[in-house]
Amino acid sequence: AQSVTQLDSQVPVFEEAPVELRCNYSSSVSVYLFWYVQYPNQGLQLLLKYLSGSTLVKGINGFEAEFNKSQTSFHLRKPSVHISDTAEYFCAVTHSSNTGKLIFGQGTTLQVKP
Amino acid sequence: DAGVIQSPRHEVTEMGQEVTLRCKPISGHNSLFWYRQTMMRGLELLIYFNNNVPIDDSGMPEDRFSAKMPNASFSTLKIQPSEPRDSAVYFCASSRGTGFGSPLHFGNGTRLTVT
Repeated sequence: AQSVTQLDSQVPVFEEAPVELRCNYSSSVSVYLFWYVQYPNQGLQLLLKYLSGSTLVKGINGFEAEFNKSQTSFHLRKPSVHISDTAEYFCAVTHSSNTGKLIFGQGTTLQVKP
Repeated sequence: DAGVIQSPRHEVTEMGQEVTLRCKPISGHNSLFWYRQTMMRGLELLIYFNNNVPIDDSGMPEDRFSAKMPNASFSTLKIQPSEPRDSAVYFCASSRGTGFGSPLHFGNGTRLTVT
């Protein structure tokens, strides 16, 4: 069975500081990994995804994530955050036999302070 | 592209009443997903359809929940009878193709409160 663990429920950070949101997964087969962002009172939007190839994936809004198979991690990073990045971030995993069934982590709330 | 459209945005009902949530996926998308979001359990997949056919309903909590997709442009999630523990935000999402490499596009959700 697959599972996703987001290690931090809340991450407070000052504006223009770097941030890393941690995600670890467990799966016995090859996986595909995603980060989604949820702004208040909205649905989730895709930030980035890893399917294959380069382990460093760049997404929208200046975010990037690195797939580390040996550590079963897919941490999300941004070198300099803005107030507008305040939102909840979800890591998700699936594999090919799931035909699209995503398993989401519990979410990490990023709070950017001025 | 109008995105995934869900209705209503908010629903308040009394315990025992029937509740129907509606979803219009993005045109051309052939996979549709219903998720439920609560503080305690996070995002849970309830059911998903591919080409209007239910593929996996293992996440549906119990027989009080049912979902249909009569055509490619419409799906419903029904709860009958509703209970206070069903209070949550229900999201519909759609994707193109068979799914695993295709991102999900989420609607803005229906916030259900059962009193």
